[in-house]
Amino acid sequence: QVQLQASGPGLVKPSETLSLTCDVSGDSISGNYYWAWIRQTPVKGLEWIGSIVHDGRTYYSRSLKSRVTISVDTSMKQFSLKLSSVTAADTAVYSCARRGPTTGIGSWGPGILVTVSS
Amino acid sequence: DIVMTQSPLSLPVTPGEPASISCRSSQSLLHSNGNNYLEWYLQKPGQSPQVLIYLVSNRASGVPDRFSGSGSGTDFTLKISRVEAEDVGVYYCMQSLQTPLTFGQGTRLEIK
Repeated sequence: QVQLQASGPGLVKPSETLSLTCDVSGDSISGNYYWAWIRQTPVKGLEWIGSIVHDGRTYYSRSLKSRVTISVDTSMKQFSLKLSSVTAADTAVYSCARRGPTTGIGSWGPGILVTVSS
Repeated sequence: DIVMTQSPLSLPVTPGEPASISCRSSQSLLHSNGNNYLEWYLQKPGQSPQVLIYLVSNRASGVPDRFSGSGSGTDFTLKISRVEAEDVGVYYCMQSLQTPLTFGQGTRLEIK
């Protein structure tokens, strides 16, 4: 049973870069899956940020594409999110997740609240 | 981006009674391979979402058979044949036909 755990600062200053890492355990990170970042706010609900495959192919939200970088480190069994030039609108609960090609997002890590504030 | 619209947004249900949630997409979710890429998720209070249904009507592992999905193209429905107390939470549809993946606004199911 794969387990995902996101970690990173819970507070980021405006204009700085939000950086989160997701540790994967219980299964290989090199399988046929998409490793995703999703965020949630009371106002906008669930928002898909982007995904990465083990070979490094990435897929990003159109609205966030200019600010987002998702990377994977297969040796460390981790994938990471960087979101630059953050504003208060980026305050959200961020979750990492694993999605099968057709079977949906079958595994979610516990969300981590990231607040953007000075 | 494909816009997903759910209704109703709030759904009070008596235990043992059926419930139905509608999800409409702004574009067809039918792939050339014949599959419609529509999924349903339930987010129980204090938990991360969990997948219920994928490819419109396929129940995820461990999902009770009182949950069923149907639809094609742009109109989809999630049905619960007999609601139980543990079904409380927010239900989301999500399209996975194309990126960006997009979710509906959510439907909050509560017990009367």
